[in-house]
Amino acid sequence: GQQVMQIPQYQHVQEGEDFTTYCNSSTTLSNIQWYKQRPGGHPVFLIQLVKSGEVKKQKRLTFQFGEAKKNSSLHITATQTTDVGTYFCAGRVNSWGKLQFGAGTQVVVTP
Amino acid sequence: GAVVSQHPSRVICKSGTSVKIECRSLDFQATTMFWYRQFPKQSLMLMATSNEGSKATYEQGVEKDKFLINHASLTLSTLTVTSAHPEDSSFYICSARDPSRGRTGELFFGEGSRLTVL
Repeated sequence: GQQVMQIPQYQHVQEGEDFTTYCNSSTTLSNIQWYKQRPGGHPVFLIQLVKSGEVKKQKRLTFQFGEAKKNSSLHITATQTTDVGTYFCAGRVNSWGKLQFGAGTQVVVTP
Repeated sequence: GAVVSQHPSRVICKSGTSVKIECRSLDFQATTMFWYRQFPKQSLMLMATSNEGSKATYEQGVEKDKFLINHASLTLSTLTVTSAHPEDSSFYICSARDPSRGRTGELFFGEGSRLTVL
């Protein structure tokens, strides 16, 4: 069945540094979404990518969807303490299908 | 944005009792809601899809008699953990899509319910 894998599982970042988390699917995706879950909180939608090779930016966050629509990445520049949390990618095989979540990347930021 | 409310946020119960968790869409109608389970520092595992007016669709390995789902209205879905045991202790989160937002398909999550079974 469809699997969505995410690496790294854990990321320790110094404040001000950049980092990237990667998401890979075993099957071609219709779209991919990214969510952020703060410690003790619930997942909050960040963005959806639909087109092959699509790149979207939200302030310091850059999201990319691979050309083959099987992988995605989230790059955060100049990390801040507010970036702490777990980032999940979630992919769909078809436009209205079930979302398959990755294992998440837990981000810890050191001041 | 769309709001999904979940209640209770925390519940502690004795082994063998049943616990009901409510999930409400506050400003939109949700014909479909999703129930997830999350273990500490792990991903979201879809348990079942709740369909308004019909039976829920359970994922493989999820006991339907253990986790009863009722979606009686367009704004309310409930998950009842029956005869709870310590291994059922977990963080349960519901989510829903807002149909008025077209086919974006983003999920709006409730605040989650942390269940502890003693």
